[in-house]
Amino acid sequence: AQTVTQSQPEMSVQEAETVTLSCTYDTSESDYYLFWYKQPPSRQMILVIRQEAYKQQNATENRFSVNFQKAAKSFSLKISDSQLGDAAMYFCAYRSAGNQFYFGTGTSLTVIP
Amino acid sequence: GAVVSQHPSRVICKSGTSVKIECRSLDFQATTMFWYRQFPKQSLMLMATSNEGSKATYEQGVEKDKFLINHASLTLSTLTVTSAHPEDSSFYICSARDRSRASGYTFGSGTRLTVV
Repeated sequence: AQTVTQSQPEMSVQEAETVTLSCTYDTSESDYYLFWYKQPPSRQMILVIRQEAYKQQNATENRFSVNFQKAAKSFSLKISDSQLGDAAMYFCAYRSAGNQFYFGTGTSLTVIP
Repeated sequence: GAVVSQHPSRVICKSGTSVKIECRSLDFQATTMFWYRQFPKQSLMLMATSNEGSKATYEQGVEKDKFLINHASLTLSTLTVTSAHPEDSSFYICSARDRSRASGYTFGSGTRLTVV
């Protein structure tokens, strides 16, 4: 079974600074997708960014970018110019070939004004 | 964009009763929906994959007879927690797959179930 590990239960960042959230995963599949989701206090899961495993280029969405290292099975999220609205739980997720999602344990991000 | 409506958002029930949670895709057809359970300050755990017109596929350790899933149409999946007990209290979230969109998956807003 696939496993997703987020080793940082909590992180904090100063407003306007940059923070990197770590994620590693374990799989025997070669074709899969990776995601970062944000869950604010409302509990709504919001897609932040996605990465196809077959693409070598790292995905970027405005202030959010990933560092995808397929051989190392690492998928970190970088948030640049952090804003107060970025404060939330962040979940790394793996989507298998069978279209099932497996989530990490989450990282609680605090943005300090 | 794709919208998934989950209802109710909160429900309180007595031990021994059953509760039904609905997950609807409002503007797309979802052949596949997923049900997750999330304990406080923990991750989402996949419970089952719901396929329209066929039986759901349950993850290991999830009781099929306790968590009944029905996906009778392309826009609706239901999760029924039968004979609920306090340990079933949790946050339940559904997601639906929209094949027409690149990002593909949209989550409902969740249901907070409290069994007293």
